[in-house]
Amino acid sequence: NAGVTQTPKFQVLKTGQSMTLQCAQDMNHEYMSWYRQDPGMGLRLIHYSVGAGITDQGEVPNGYNVSRSTTEDFPLRLLSAAPSQTSVYFCASSPPGREDTQYFGPGTRLTVL
Amino acid sequence: GIQVEQSPPDLILQEGANSTLRCNFSDSVNNLQWFHQNPWGQLINLFYIPSGTKQNGRLSATTVATERYSLLYISSSQTTDSGVYFCAVERNYGQNFVFGPGTRLSVLP
Repeated sequence: NAGVTQTPKFQVLKTGQSMTLQCAQDMNHEYMSWYRQDPGMGLRLIHYSVGAGITDQGEVPNGYNVSRSTTEDFPLRLLSAAPSQTSVYFCASSPPGREDTQYFGPGTRLTVL
Repeated sequence: GIQVEQSPPDLILQEGANSTLRCNFSDSVNNLQWFHQNPWGQLINLFYIPSGTKQNGRLSATTVATERYSLLYISSSQTTDSGVYFCAVERNYGQNFVFGPGTRLSVLP
């Protein structure tokens, strides 16, 4: 198993540009989520999904969209990037009934100029 | 929403020393986990401990749910223990975690 993979590892955008951060897992996990981590801070939940076709908002959802058309993939879309979205983005997954086991991807470092 | 505090914010230890990290949370929770973020940014799940005590090698954790705090103990610290330790809680199952601000640990050789 590759675990949780994220692409790209690094990205630089200009204000107003759009892009999609990719997240995939090959462990057949139902739960997937996106977090952002700002310097010196803990992670904040952006969006999460409890299964294909189901998504919900976390603590800081504004400016981000998600969809979950398959169990494996959970992309995060920035529709119009802003400097305030400069951060490190982590995707995580866990199997149903095993909330104690969260697997995190390696992260995507995004800079918005 | 739930508030999570961690202390101390920073900790510097000599290799071989012991330490205790604390996590306070403002409401009852069904899920509490400790994570370690290594200096390369990778997040590793250490403990799932909504209540009680668990041990894994040199690490152990205790959560007193009725008093809304959890402690992470690191014994005989090693330089590889360096990084940031996060406590995360969830009111109800559904992966809506709230992370604390973390404790940054530096273990010196």
